[in-house]
Amino acid sequence: DTAVSQTPKYLVTQMGNDKSIKCEQNLGHDTMYWYKQDSKKFLKIMFSYNNKELIINETVPNRFSPKSPDKAHLNLHINSLELGDSAVYFCASSLQGASNEKLFFGSGTQLSVL
Amino acid sequence: AQSVTQLDSQVPVFEEAPVELRCNYSSSVSVYLFWYVQYPNQGLQLLLKYLSGSTLVKGINGFEAEFNKSQTSFHLRKPSVHISDTAEYFCAVRGKGNTPLVFGKGTRLSVIA
Repeated sequence: DTAVSQTPKYLVTQMGNDKSIKCEQNLGHDTMYWYKQDSKKFLKIMFSYNNKELIINETVPNRFSPKSPDKAHLNLHINSLELGDSAVYFCASSLQGASNEKLFFGSGTQLSVL
Repeated sequence: AQSVTQLDSQVPVFEEAPVELRCNYSSSVSVYLFWYVQYPNQGLQLLLKYLSGSTLVKGINGFEAEFNKSQTSFHLRKPSVHISDTAEYFCAVRGKGNTPLVFGKGTRLSVIA
């Protein structure tokens, strides 16, 4: 069983469209994250949720809206997609306060905006 | 706030040679330090971490790293690399408490046969 799973793996769409990426973890973790990796491989935190509550919201356009229906899910909805949104988006999860401080990552969603 | 600098964007090395990937961090508070590896078309996997205690930490696949507080460094080393070690390596830092993991820009390790 995949610990952190994201769907879809690839997403190709046109500018102006609205799309969603889903993420689920079956590890019993209480904290989930979205990271964006650009074409130069730079990884940057976008959002973090702990027990369904938003705890980190970095400088991200408000076209990006995370939604956490429960602790095991953190979905990312993007409105009015732009060319600059093309990137690989990674979901991750962790157990807050766990001694190993380890993040588990999904395999990524490659978003291409045409 | 914390930040991470990975000084080398690409490191080519011959198979069975040693390698060191450099990482420096800046922080005004105590930190946790990590190295993650990303194989092609995959998510990141934890290689090793420093939380406290011994400054020399050993991770998976024969990698190790040494925390040097005075030099604010956490360089990653392996005495003998394999072709399968070809990947992107990310150094990361976070402060204690509810702070996010901040990644460096990554170092592409290419092992040449």
